[in-house]
Amino acid sequence: GENVEQHPSTLSVQEGDSAVIKCTYSDSASNYFPWYKQELGKRPQLIIDIRSNVGEKKDQRIAVTLNKTAKHFSLHITETQPEDSAVYFCAAMGGGFKTIFGAGTRLFVKA
Amino acid sequence: NAGVMQNPRHLVRRRGQEARLRCSPMKGHSHVYWYRQLPEEGLKFMVYLQKENIIDESGMPKERFSAEFPKEGPSILRIQQVVRGDSAAYFCASSPLSQDFYTGELFFGEGSRLTVL
Repeated sequence: GENVEQHPSTLSVQEGDSAVIKCTYSDSASNYFPWYKQELGKRPQLIIDIRSNVGEKKDQRIAVTLNKTAKHFSLHITETQPEDSAVYFCAAMGGGFKTIFGAGTRLFVKA
Repeated sequence: NAGVMQNPRHLVRRRGQEARLRCSPMKGHSHVYWYRQLPEEGLKFMVYLQKENIIDESGMPKERFSAEFPKEGPSILRIQQVVRGDSAAYFCASSPLSQDFYTGELFFGEGSRLTVL
């Protein structure tokens, strides 16, 4: 069945450094790739997304890249701040409108 | 426009009892998804429903779990004869569907945290 792999599971960076989270997906029919941020005890919230007809998208300090050939997509956070500390989930949605999530990356930004 | 509403936020049950979790989607949203999140783990897809119709239940355990989204009222996730392994946060999400354009974005509720004693 559909599967989304996410790495690393934990990431610790110094404030101001960049953070990169990588995901791969198995369903070649996937056409929508969102990223969600979940703070402790809270609900997941969409932070950025990318569609299959685009290779890169940027929103201020956050950027996503997509390589459909390799079935690989990544999240890049630049100039990290302590408030970026959270769990980040990548996800992929296929033709059946079902969204499958990666296992999550726990990001720690040290001040 | 109120967001996705889930209740109860916290539910405690003893082994063998039934748990009912309710979800009201955002106004104008016709699709509801249920995900389970175990402590320190990711979001596992359970079921995807439209009004009066289960679209995909491939993530639902074969026994004890059921879901519905009636014509009137909230979506309900029902767990019969709960066991300790059912303890988790259950998140509901909704999305709109337009024949012209489907964004794919999921709007999550705050979750229902089930504890089985």
